[in-house]
Amino acid sequence: QQQVKQSPQSLIVQKGGISIINCAYENTAFDYFPWYQQFPGKGPALLIAIRPDVSEKKEGRFTISFNKSAKQFSLHIMDSQPGDSATYFCAARSNFGNEKLTFGTGTRLTIIP
Amino acid sequence: EADIYQTPRYLVIGTGKKITLECSQTMGHDKMYWYQQDPGMELHLIHYSYGVNSTEKGDLSSESTVSRIRTEHFPLTLESARPSHTSQYLCASKSNEYNEQFFGPGTRLTVL
Repeated sequence: QQQVKQSPQSLIVQKGGISIINCAYENTAFDYFPWYQQFPGKGPALLIAIRPDVSEKKEGRFTISFNKSAKQFSLHIMDSQPGDSATYFCAARSNFGNEKLTFGTGTRLTIIP
Repeated sequence: EADIYQTPRYLVIGTGKKITLECSQTMGHDKMYWYQQDPGMELHLIHYSYGVNSTEKGDLSSESTVSRIRTEHFPLTLESARPSHTSQYLCASKSNEYNEQFFGPGTRLTVL
């Protein structure tokens, strides 16, 4: 059972364009929603994160939009650059227990010149 | 850059061998995690620890075992490796005060 659904699986965006990756979840006990960026041969690194009491969070070119009623959240990368080419994972964390992260299936983003 | 280390980075071994994947962190984090990730795919939690002498199994069933004798060290052991164990293994840690999980660079294991 996939608790966090992520789309698209892959995405090609022209340099300077906007990259948008979407995630949806079912578990209302999730209370923290991070996005991780992973380059080949590296571990994931936290990019930006949001809590459900906020509808939007922006850090530089990266923005998370969060819709609590729809149980959806998305990552927007503005002015996408070739260096943004990586795999992006959304995740969600339950607010009790081991604080484990449940990951989406990942989106391979390629920024073309 | 997170202070969490994994060795070896790459390992190719034959079936039936016993292996230990090392993970250490210098941040004093109580919580540590092991995830399994097939290339380009999602991460699945296989083990976690709340602190010293605490270990629990994660969501994905795994034949591996872990130990937590010291705060900074969380090794993963496979008693008898099989080709089905071929994957990338990622270690992570987290403090009690903050939300972020820090990941190590991973160990890519290939069992022939």
